[in-house]
Amino acid sequence: QSALTQPRSVSGSPGQSVTISCTGTSSDVGAYNYVSWYQQYPGKVPKIVIYDVTQRPSGVPDRFSGSKSGNTGFLTISGLQSEDEADYYCCSYAGTSLIFGGGTQLTVL
Amino acid sequence: EVQLVESGGGLVQPGESLRLSCVASGFTFSHYRMHWVRQAPGKGLMWVSLIEIDGRTTSHADSVRGRFTISRDNAKNTLYLQMNSLRVDDTAVYYCTRDAAGLSYWGLGTLVTVSS
Repeated sequence: QSALTQPRSVSGSPGQSVTISCTGTSSDVGAYNYVSWYQQYPGKVPKIVIYDVTQRPSGVPDRFSGSKSGNTGFLTISGLQSEDEADYYCCSYAGTSLIFGGGTQLTVL
Repeated sequence: EVQLVESGGGLVQPGESLRLSCVASGFTFSHYRMHWVRQAPGKGLMWVSLIEIDGRTTSHADSVRGRFTISRDNAKNTLYLQMNSLRVDDTAVYYCTRDAAGLSYWGLGTLVTVSS
């Protein structure tokens, strides 16, 4: 049960777009359309921003979008805002378990 | 309003046991798969355990299998995590989460510290 692979950090300027990748295997990300993404501010509870690869929960801005290609999922945040600066974690089903990515720190320059 | 409230955390010595509880409200608890997820200080999220709605099907991460047991009491709207043979690397905030359209609701977590 190795963690999904995410870049440790990404950055972008306000108004720009950033994409965070989440690489797994054919047994997890590649096998199921159940990739989800979570935003976490320091000291706070994680909050879901994308589920089932592309679905956005109500209340999440449409600047957040998700996609998948093969064994890699992607979270794209367009029109970056200062409040998007946070840690982001991907998650996938892997049969009878879940597996998280190691997390990506997003810095808004 | 959906609420998940964890309790039962604390400071224990290596080898000891703890039982975490998570009381659910604001939704029909018996209709949802539930998970425990933990986060060690300064580290990322790690999935711990899941339990299906009937309580009979469970799954645990390799690192806790054989030591931790997830269970639920649908009549009491409560999720449990029995943790035995605790190790220093089990130190973390433990979150209870509801599985529907991803892990859509999380509790505030309860801190478990394992230290001698």
